[in-house]
Amino acid sequence: QVQLMESGGGVVQPGRSLRLSCAASGFTFSNYVMHWVRQVPGKELEWVAVISNDGSDTYSADSVKGRFTISRDNSKSTLYLQMNSLRADDTAVYYCARENDISGWFFDYWGLGTLVTVSS
Amino acid sequence: DIQMTQSPSSLSASVGDRVSITCRASQSIGSHLNWYQQKPGKAPKLLIHGTSTLQYGVPSRFSGSGSGTHFTLTVSSLQPEDFATYFCQQSYDTPRTFGQGTKVEIK
Repeated sequence: QVQLMESGGGVVQPGRSLRLSCAASGFTFSNYVMHWVRQVPGKELEWVAVISNDGSDTYSADSVKGRFTISRDNSKSTLYLQMNSLRADDTAVYYCARENDISGWFFDYWGLGTLVTVSS
Repeated sequence: DIQMTQSPSSLSASVGDRVSITCRASQSIGSHLNWYQQKPGKAPKLLIHGTSTLQYGVPSRFSGSGSGTHFTLTVSSLQPEDFATYFCQQSYDTPRTFGQGTKVEIK
């Protein structure tokens, strides 16, 4: 069955870096566009970044542009989010999500999420 | 960016009630509208994609309608497991934007 498992979250000081990983299994990872979405607990979902299936195209939200980088290693079926210059307002649960493109586009599978807390 | 606005932000209802949640897009998105359900401490779960297509395994009491800028999620007879927060999302353009959520609570 399809599984997405994030890791790498934790407590980090403002200005520091963190790299999140999302290990995928149960499907051909290289066939799918992948996204990162974050959510302050109890608040709305905020889309963060997207990467094409072969990794050649990426796009990030304005709120993280220039600080966060999305990447993937299809040989390892793993998605990454490199987060630099972290700020307090980056504190959130970070989810990876698979985008399906059957008659439209939608996030059909999500990971459980990993909590990032930016605090001194 | 396309802005998504949901209403109401919360509602109270009883088991068996019919409830509807509205989502409006700041520009036309055709039928590229998805609905997700989220329970506390859990990841969002896809309910409906492409405005009205039920994801596999989702009960038929859920339905979606609309087009362009105005969309609706309806639960025909609310069940105890349906008390949750619901989010709409447009997939017409990148960035993929979400509504602010509608929390469905027990009356």
